[in-house]
Amino acid sequence: SQELEQSPQSLIVQEGKNLTINCTSSKTLYGLYWYKQKYGEGLIFLMMLQKGGEEKSHEKITAKLDEKKQQSSLHITASQPSHAGIYLCGADMDNYGQNFVFGPGTRLSVLP
Amino acid sequence: KAGVTQTPRYLIKTRGQQVTLSCSPISGHRSVSWYQQTPGQGLQFLFEYFSETQRNKGNFPGRFSGRQFSNSRSEMNVSTLELGDSALYLCASRLITGRSSPLHFGNGTRLTVT
Repeated sequence: SQELEQSPQSLIVQEGKNLTINCTSSKTLYGLYWYKQKYGEGLIFLMMLQKGGEEKSHEKITAKLDEKKQQSSLHITASQPSHAGIYLCGADMDNYGQNFVFGPGTRLSVLP
Repeated sequence: KAGVTQTPRYLIKTRGQQVTLSCSPISGHRSVSWYQQTPGQGLQFLFEYFSETQRNKGNFPGRFSGRQFSNSRSEMNVSTLELGDSALYLCASRLITGRSSPLHFGNGTRLTVT
């Protein structure tokens, strides 16, 4: 099984709606990163979370890290068509940067 | 500051040929990683180079190889191409290896093997 799981696998929302994507690790996290990918392009770095309880925001996207649950959530407020794409979480699974893994991704579609 | 640059952007090769992909990391970044992305398998780690040394290697056959130069630029080579090698190949650079350092990705090279 994957070290990082994401849910849901895909999501279709109406423009203006809020949504949440979750990323759960089966092992200790040493750093959690969120990325966005448009089809056929590279991954765009969104945010990095390191400490339990940490919360970061960028425009209408907020990410939180729950260290106890080894889980992170990405929340988008008032979604727009520009938010559509694949969201991937990535994580350092050791303290030396030698084991970086990605989740399988969540495909988001936003209907106008 | 320029981002991660990958060349070429698109490539079409036939089975049995070999291919070399190039990656220029962000200035100052010494770690370069390569990933293969396919619809069926998702993002899979190929290898990571740091200061011209391969630090980590994913579970890929020996046909996949790479190297890093003293200026941190990296190349990956795939020999004896197979149809299943068709994928988006992504390069990512990192300022340091370890925590507190996100990977920054290029736009990838789309390889099609016919």
